[in-house]
Formats: sequence, C-alpha cells, structure tokens
Amino acid sequence: QKEVEQNSGPLSVPEGAIASLNCTYSDRGSQSFFWYRQYSGKSPELIMFIYSNGDKEDGRFTAQLNKASQYVSLLIRDSQPSDSATYLCAVDYSGGYQKVTFGTGTKLQVIP
Amino acid sequence: GAGVSQTPSNKVTEKGKYVELRCDPISGHTALYWYRQSLGQGPEFLIYFQGTGAADDSGLPNDRFFAVRPEGSVSTLKIQRTERGDSAVYLCASSLGGGEGYTFGSGTRLTVV
Repeated sequence: QKEVEQNSGPLSVPEGAIASLNCTYSDRGSQSFFWYRQYSGKSPELIMFIYSNGDKEDGRFTAQLNKASQYVSLLIRDSQPSDSATYLCAVDYSGGYQKVTFGTGTKLQVIP
Repeated sequence: GAGVSQTPSNKVTEKGKYVELRCDPISGHTALYWYRQSLGQGPEFLIYFQGTGAADDSGLPNDRFFAVRPEGSVSTLKIQRTERGDSAVYLCASSLGGGEGYTFGSGTRLTVV
C-alpha cells in the first residue's frame, strides 16, 4: 500500500508568521509531488509541484523535497487569514501519468 | 471551457437507484481523472482516461461503478444500485498530461438516502 502521511492538525499560526506543513511518503521511487489547497466546501486547488530535491519557491510559498528522507514540505511565509484552509499533499506513484495518492490533509488556521 | 465543469452540483438519490455524474474538462486537456472524497479524507482515485480510453480503472470500488468518455472530452461516471456508502463528493479533474498537476471541477455531492 503506497501511502502519504500528513498530520491532520489543526496547525495554528499567527498572522505574518511562517507556516510549515509536512508530508512523508512510502515509495522511494516516486518522482512527482504536489501541494493542493482546499477551502472548506470547495474543491482542491493546485498550489505547487516539485520534482527535484531541494527548494522551489513561488511567491510566499516554498516547496521542499528530500527524496532520501521521503519527505516533502510546504512553507508559507507571511501567513494571512486567507491562507486558512486544508493543505493536501499528493504523490504520483504511477510513474508519470499523474495518478496521484493524496494525504488526508493538514488544516491550517492563521490567527489575525 | 474556462474550467472543469461538473453537473449536477448536488444529487440526492434513494438507495438502489442509478445515477450519472457528468464532467466537462478544460478544452484541450487529454487527461481526465475521477476521484471521490469523503469528509475528513483526501481525494481517493477512481479512474483515469487518456483520450477516449480508460487507462487505469483500478480505483473503481466494484462493478457497480463505470465511467465513459466516448469522444475524448466529456466523461460520465455511472453508479448502479447505489448504496449509502457511495455518499461522497465526486471530483473530476483534467490536465494536459505533462506532469503539471490537475485542475479540479467543483465536484458533485452525492447523497444516498
């Protein structure tokens, strides 16, 4: 069973702080990793994808990938109340056609 | 279209009835995926289409579930003899297939009573 593990939270951070969301996965051969944001009652929305070890930055978001440790994280700088949502980590176990397995998500609460 | 369109947005049906859920992907997206999501869980893979063919249907729970995409665009997920355990949000997503991630539709909330 190929798994994606996330702490369900809630993770509470004050406005303006850095939020750190973490995800581990079970298959060392995985190549593609995705972060989706899901507001309550809405469908998931792609934030970032990462394929290579290291960091990938996009605005206030940074994805970090460590394949040796089978660990992927998402950092949100200068957190805003509008960032309050559930963040889903997804891993492509299909070898490229993006049949991804999702974690259960981490609920983030940004406190004004 | 501009986004992935799913209809209906809500469907309430009686146990044992047949339902069809429709997905209209982004124009030009050859890859189409169906997932379902239960409360407090991440989306669970059901089936993947590349063009008209179902390239991977390993996530369909049993033979009551079937999906088609006859012209390589619109897809229909069909559920026969619905059960209360089928109640969930059914999500459709599409992509260009280049590894850039999905665009999800707004989902169909299915409630079996």
